Amino acid sequence: NAGVMQNPRHLVRRRGQEARLRCSPMKGHSHVYWYRQLPEEGLKFMVYLQKENIIDESGMPKERFSAEFPKEGPSILRIQQVVRGDSAAYFCASSPTVYTGELFFGEGSRLTVL
Amino acid sequence: GQQVMQIPQYQHVQEGEDFTTYCNSSTTLSNIQWYKQRPGGHPVFLIQLVKSGEVKKQKRLTFQFGEAKKNSSLHITATQTTDVGTYFCAGPTGSGGSNYKLTFGKGTLLTVNP
Repeated sequence: NAGVMQNPRHLVRRRGQEARLRCSPMKGHSHVYWYRQLPEEGLKFMVYLQKENIIDESGMPKERFSAEFPKEGPSILRIQQVVRGDSAAYFCASSPTVYTGELFFGEGSRLTVL
Repeated sequence: GQQVMQIPQYQHVQEGEDFTTYCNSSTTLSNIQWYKQRPGGHPVFLIQLVKSGEVKKQKRLTFQFGEAKKNSSLHITATQTTDVGTYFCAGPTGSGGSNYKLTFGKGTLLTVNP
């Protein structure tokens, strides 16, 4: 859904660098969800955030990955000391409440680690 | 944990032929969703099925949810080149009926020869 904006669309990093992916939810939405898609795989849930709170990070790797959704500004998924296995498409979705319907994804950020 | 399997992994058809992809869950699902992802694109929601034995149609697409709510299928009649993409099924694993934590199958990549 064009209403969920992600940037950058493409990001190249060398091993050991940091990657920051941003997600601006649809207007009026305060719930954000991040999913990761490895090459030729389905999407896997990473984290669910509300404004200033992490609600569920059960899908997030324990190390090097963090997410935030500040009171002002976009949600950020941060990957420190990237490794080649982090190369993937990272998709964000949003909802006005804890949704019970479908997910509307942004166009994704495609991370390539050299 | 919950697993969602899809078959086939790939399907190549001639334009005008029919196409079916099957989805099986290791656990009973409260609902199942289908998404389509064009090459290089993002997943786009197609439909959600909730009731046991439910059948829904969208033009040339027919979706079914099994009686036991553990399997589903998507059938496309008379494929067109615009149907090219990967079709994913997904079921919720979140607690309390929330759909935000979806388990996706690996998808079926459909290619259509004009």
